Amino acid sequence: DQQVKQNSPSLSVQEGRISILNCDYTNSMFDYFLWYKKYPAEGPTFLISISSIKDKNEDGRFTVFLNKSAKHLSLHIVPSQPGDSAVYFCAALGKTGANNLFFGTGTRLTVIP
Amino acid sequence: GAGVSQSPSNKVTEKGKDVELRCDPISGHTALYWYRQSLGQGLEFLIYFQGNSAPDKSGLPSDRFSAERTGGSVSTLTIQRTQQEDSAVYLCASSFGGQGWNYGYTFGSGTRLTVV
Repeated sequence: DQQVKQNSPSLSVQEGRISILNCDYTNSMFDYFLWYKKYPAEGPTFLISISSIKDKNEDGRFTVFLNKSAKHLSLHIVPSQPGDSAVYFCAALGKTGANNLFFGTGTRLTVIP
Repeated sequence: GAGVSQSPSNKVTEKGKDVELRCDPISGHTALYWYRQSLGQGLEFLIYFQGNSAPDKSGLPSDRFSAERTGGSVSTLTIQRTQQEDSAVYLCASSFGGQGWNYGYTFGSGTRLTVV
């Protein structure tokens, strides 16, 4: 049972434009959400996170938005750069301090120069 | 070390054989996690170690899977009598304390296991 879903397996965006990566979840008890970025042959690296008490968190070119009523979050990258091309995973925690993350299946972003 | 180190990076094994996967976490990280990613799937939680506490084994898919962490550092994930459905990338991560949610985990590059 996939509690965190990324319904778009891939996304292509022109360099300089905005990339929007979407994630939906089913468990209303999730307390914390994270985005990870993964290059081929490397492990995922932490990108940005958001607590369920917030609806937006921004870090440079990366902004995560959380819509709790819709159980939806999104990652915005603007402006997109070719080096952003990677697989992006959305992840969620059941409660603060919980032991494990629930991951989505990932979205492969390609930024076209 | 500077990062989470996993070995081997690739492992091909025959069905029915046992395999051991190793993870060397970041020095000073007390929490260690094992995940796996099967083809087309998200990362699946397997097991979690925190300090000297009993590990959270709730994600292990069968009793053929076991893991230990010696001296609070290096961890070994063992899969006995491997099956083809065990083929996946096995990822290890560590974090400072159990609050991986606060800092994000640091993942290793993974071990790609192929059972033939």
